Amino acid sequence: EAAVTQSPRSKVAVTGGKVTLSCHQTNNHDYMYWYRQDTGHGLRLIHYSYVADSTEKGDIPDGYKASRPSQENFSLILELASLSQTAVYFCASSDGRKPSYEQYFGPGTRLTVL
Amino acid sequence: QQKVQQSPESLIVPEGGMASLNCTFSDRNSQYFWWYRQHSGEGPKALMSIFSNGDKKEGRFTAHLNKASLHVSLHIKDSQPSDSALYFCAIMSNYNVLYFGSGTKLTVEP
Repeated sequence: EAAVTQSPRSKVAVTGGKVTLSCHQTNNHDYMYWYRQDTGHGLRLIHYSYVADSTEKGDIPDGYKASRPSQENFSLILELASLSQTAVYFCASSDGRKPSYEQYFGPGTRLTVL
Repeated sequence: QQKVQQSPESLIVPEGGMASLNCTFSDRNSQYFWWYRQHSGEGPKALMSIFSNGDKKEGRFTAHLNKASLHVSLHIKDSQPSDSALYFCAIMSNYNVLYFGSGTKLTVEP
């Protein structure tokens, strides 16, 4: 089965600090995604990438940057963390060669900004 | 932009009962529809997909799609306590982007 791992699994950050969330997949998938989950909002797409060294904005990109240095790795960067960015963040990957292919999610990172 | 709405927000059914979850979407050009399930403390996992109008059955789970009425539903027969989870419908666009509903929290009481 497809494997997506995330690190760290939880993090406490201070307001204004820099936070980097990492994602690694071993599935040889082209597409990778970052979502955030808040109670009552389901999952919202922040950034995604379909090839290394390129990223695309999702629905809520403000305050976030993304980096895809290789096919396997995708990072989410919060340059100036804010209280409103407290959430659970999920990374996912998909094959992408057919639009119907399912997305495989990692276990999530719980981020608390104080 | 695609809008996806789910109902009800929460649902309690007795063990052995039928659970029915609903989802409406806004983009008539949507082609691929998924149901994801998320157990507490875990990432979402794909439960089943449906791409054509009508019903698709996988074991105790049946998905129904009506593109004309912009509606997709999931029915869980003989519900088990292990089915207790958060269920999302997700609609895929042409660019491998999924739009998620806000979820239905299902509780199956023994």
